[in-house]
Formats: sequence, structure tokens, C-alpha cells
Amino acid sequence: TQLLEQSPQFLSIQEGENLTVYCNSSSVFSSLQWYRQEPGEGPVLLVTVVTGGEVKKLKRLTFQFGDARKDSSLHITAAQPGDTGLYLCAGGGSQGNLIFGKGTKLSVKP
Amino acid sequence: GAVVSQHPSWVICKSGTSVKIECRSLDFQATTMFWYRQFPKQSLMLMATSNEGSKATYEQGVEKDKFLINHASLTLSTLTVTSAHPEDSSFYICSASSSSRQETQYFGPGTRLLVL
Repeated sequence: TQLLEQSPQFLSIQEGENLTVYCNSSSVFSSLQWYRQEPGEGPVLLVTVVTGGEVKKLKRLTFQFGDARKDSSLHITAAQPGDTGLYLCAGGGSQGNLIFGKGTKLSVKP
Repeated sequence: GAVVSQHPSWVICKSGTSVKIECRSLDFQATTMFWYRQFPKQSLMLMATSNEGSKATYEQGVEKDKFLINHASLTLSTLTVTSAHPEDSSFYICSASSSSRQETQYFGPGTRLLVL
């Protein structure tokens, strides 16, 4: 069974601080995606990483896919209150489905 | 592009009634649609996968007779919660992918169901 473990589960920081969210698995994934979800809304895709060792940047967000394609990280620089939300990592399953981690609930206080 | 809509966005119903939720891909043809449910403060749990014109594949523990899924066209899938009970109250989210980019799923905004 493919599982994705996300850490930390909860994170509360002050505006301007940096943070990293981790997504780990014992299984190899063909691709990993990161989503952000706000209360009462569906997840919004932030990025897809497909190549081992790949690094993608989206403004203040940096995403990295592990060399072995078993883990990924999301680093946010100088967090802002607008970054508050639930961050989900998801890996491509063997049947075309997505396997989600449990999510990291981020709160950035002004 | 790649917009997915859901209707209704929220619904309140009495126990024992059936509720239908629609999921539409507005600007692309969705060969595959997925239905998830999400409980408060939890992640998304896949309920079923449906391909246009064929029967849905349900995840273990999901009752196919209770959660009826129809994927009649390349832009529309419906989830019907039959004989709803309070424990079915949840946030239901659909997603859609196209044949050209199967690894990418586009999510709808979700439907909040409250069964009284």
C-alpha cells in the first residue's frame, strides 16, 4: 500500500518566518503534487514534480522532489498571512488515482 | 483553463432522502473523474474512480449501492447519496483528469452535505 506521511501536521508561525513541510513515503511515486486548500473550498494545485532531484520555484515557494522519488518538501520563505491554509501532498497511484498525505495546517499570524 | 464546477455548493437534507451532486469539467473533456470525501480537519479520502461510459471503481469500504456514481458524458459525473444519514454529512469533492495529462487532477470547489 502506498502511503504518504506529511509533517508537521500543524504549524503556527509569525509573518516573515520561513518554514518547511515534508512529505515522505517508502514507495516510489511517478509524480508528486502539492495542493493548497482553504476552508470550504477544493484543493488548488500548486505544482507537479516528476523528475528525481527536481526543484521548482513558485514565487516564495520552493518545491523539491527527492532523488529516489520517495519524498518531497515545500519551503516557504518569508511567510505571509495569505499563505495560511491546508497544504496537501499527493502522489500518483498505480491506478491513475491520487494518494493524499494527511496535510499540514499552516497558520501565519500577522 | 481546466475548470471543474460542482453543484450544489452546499445542501441540507432530512435523513432518509437522496441527494445528487454534479461535477462538470467546463473547458476540457474529462476521461476520468474522481470522487473524494473529506471530514473536518482531515485529508481527502478517495471514494471512487469513474471513467466515461463505464462503471465506477469503488474504494474498499465504500458502499456502491449507497453512493451511486454516473459518468454519462466526458464533461459530467454525478454522485447520488441514497437514503442519506447524519453520518454521511461531509465535504464531497470531485476532480477530473484528461487523457492527455492523466497525472494532473483538477478539483472542483466541493459540496458540503449536512444530513439532519
